[in-house]
Amino acid sequence: AQSVAQPEDQVNVAEGNPLTVKCTYSVSGNPYLFWYVQYPNRGLQFLLKYITGDNLVKGSYGFEAEFNKSQTSFHLKKPSALVSDSALYFCAVRDSGAGSYQLTFGKGTKLSVIP
Amino acid sequence: NAGVTQTPKFQVLKTGQSMTLQCAQDMNHNSMYWYRQDPGMGLRLIYYSASEGTTDKGEVPNGYNVSRLNKREFSLRLESAAPSQTSVYFCASSVTGGFNYGYTFGSGTRLTVV
Repeated sequence: AQSVAQPEDQVNVAEGNPLTVKCTYSVSGNPYLFWYVQYPNRGLQFLLKYITGDNLVKGSYGFEAEFNKSQTSFHLKKPSALVSDSALYFCAVRDSGAGSYQLTFGKGTKLSVIP
Repeated sequence: NAGVTQTPKFQVLKTGQSMTLQCAQDMNHNSMYWYRQDPGMGLRLIYYSASEGTTDKGEVPNGYNVSRLNKREFSLRLESAAPSQTSVYFCASSVTGGFNYGYTFGSGTRLTVV
């Protein structure tokens, strides 16, 4: 079975400071990992993905994430937070060895960037 | 613009009423999904359709039925609505197999059952 955990319900960061939103996963095979962002009253939008290759992946809006196989983590990062980054962030995983193509989502982390 | 379209955007039902949530995508995706989003629970998969003509249960299928009408359309039906089904419902689609693109989500249907 595949699962993903986002240990923080909420993250607060001052504008201009670096931000990290944490994600850990569990799969039996190799993971496909994703980050999505949800703005109020909107659907989820794709930010970035890790499928294979370089452990540091870059995505939309200046976000990046680092895949760490030994720690089974895929933390989302940004060097300098903007107020407009305030949103709900979801990590998702799919086991590449699984028979289905379902994504399993974490419970989400609310990011608040304080001016 | 290409994407996933959900209707309606908002709905209030009385307990016991039925309704169908509609979803259509124009990206030629094979797979489609229905999720519900509840505070503190994240997104939970209700049903999915890996390809036209197939549907399978997800994590929380009780109280729901689905129909994959054609490649574009995937509807979710509540036969007898209950207050526990008050939620925001999202439809999504993806390319099956070539999974590099993740999911594309609709903007959601906010359902209240009173």
